[in-house]
Amino acid sequence: EPEVTQTPSHQVTQMGQEVILRCVPISNHLYFYWYRQILGQKVEFLVSFYNNEISEKSEIFDDQFSVERPDGSNFTLKIRSTKLEDSAMYFCASSERGFRGYTFGSGTRLTVV
Amino acid sequence: GQQVMQIPQYQHVQEGEDFTTYCNSSTTLSNIQWYKQRPGGHPVFLIQLVKSGEVKKQKRLTFQFGEAKKNSSLHITATQTTDVGTYFCADFNSGGYQKVTFGTGTKLQVIP
Repeated sequence: EPEVTQTPSHQVTQMGQEVILRCVPISNHLYFYWYRQILGQKVEFLVSFYNNEISEKSEIFDDQFSVERPDGSNFTLKIRSTKLEDSAMYFCASSERGFRGYTFGSGTRLTVV
Repeated sequence: GQQVMQIPQYQHVQEGEDFTTYCNSSTTLSNIQWYKQRPGGHPVFLIQLVKSGEVKKQKRLTFQFGEAKKNSSLHITATQTTDVGTYFCADFNSGGYQKVTFGTGTKLQVIP
């Protein structure tokens, strides 16, 4: 079964530092997403990415956030200056054309101290 | 904005009992999806419902989409400890770039 791979599984960072979360989506998928989940809460949409550009973003996804697909396989989420409230589990997901549901990665737990 | 609410928020059942979670939207849903998230895990896609009034079954799980496409339900018959987790409904907007908006989730605990 193809998988979405996320690294690292856990990241601890100091407030104000930049972090990059990495994802390798499933190779034949065309749509890529970042979601976050604060502990015990619902899964919140951050951004969707298609055809090498952002297709939609939420209110959460402000100027501190950016996404990139620097090569044919990686998909990254950068947070420029982390805040305490950015502490959450960040999930990458991908889907194919003719949608069959998202495939989520195992997530990166970001802890901002 | 769109709100997708689920009730109950938490449910404890004895193993073997049935369980139902209800999903309600403030606006008409495009398509409804259901995901399961095990404790400490990531959401896993279960199913998608598209048509008004649609009913689908997966073994002990029965999924329904309301006639007005503003609500949905997931019913589990004879729960097992492997059913433990949080069940999310989600609105799949096929008109956008396949964006999924998750509901608030129902956390199921099964007591052996």
